[in-house]
Amino acid sequence: DAKTTQPTSMDCAEGRAANLPCNHSTISGNEYVYWYRQIHSQGPQYIIHGLKNNETNEMASLIITEDRKSSTLILPHATLRDTAVYYCIARTWVGQFYFGTGTSLTVIP
Amino acid sequence: DSGVTQTPKHLITATGQRVTLRCSPRSGDLSVYWYQQSLDQGLQFLIHYYNGEERAKGNILERFSAQQFPDLHSELNLSSLELGDSALYFCASSVGPRENGELFFGEGSRLTVL
Repeated sequence: DAKTTQPTSMDCAEGRAANLPCNHSTISGNEYVYWYRQIHSQGPQYIIHGLKNNETNEMASLIITEDRKSSTLILPHATLRDTAVYYCIARTWVGQFYFGTGTSLTVIP
Repeated sequence: DSGVTQTPKHLITATGQRVTLRCSPRSGDLSVYWYQQSLDQGLQFLIHYYNGEERAKGNILERFSAQQFPDLHSELNLSSLELGDSALYFCASSVGPRENGELFFGEGSRLTVL
């Protein structure tokens, strides 16, 4: 099962793009990359997921490198409400989601 | 609202006691997952059930057990409680392990062991 590594914390200025990196060098070909975020102690919230191609939705963009060993979550215009812990997860082919400790993103006014 | 319901929201009990946490998944979801989150920690995967059957176990202690019932709701039983069991316990549901959909999380049950 792939393991992901993320920086412990990051800051981003309000209104700027937040780029959150994730390394998953041991990911298998059939394991999807998922991103979730957790605000305070609320239940984690789904953001986006992808396999090979870059993905975009109303919340964020996901850029996966061609070798699939790393990815970047992009929040295009960060707001104060985006302050949260962001988790990068490699979903196993049998449907397991293993969360790491995530990146604590602080959006600064 | 994710559609996943967890009860109780808060629970305070003493060491050595036993508690049961309950989870109702989203309508139509067959998979239920349990996670534990201790203070300032990430989410630790405990166990996964699909359509009543156990599919995978994570770092679940022998004092803990779970089951998924025919109506698909799930219960997590924690016994011989210790101070270190104080944590947020999250339940999540999804359509099924082979579907590439997302997990939907409940708001958690906060357990405090005194």
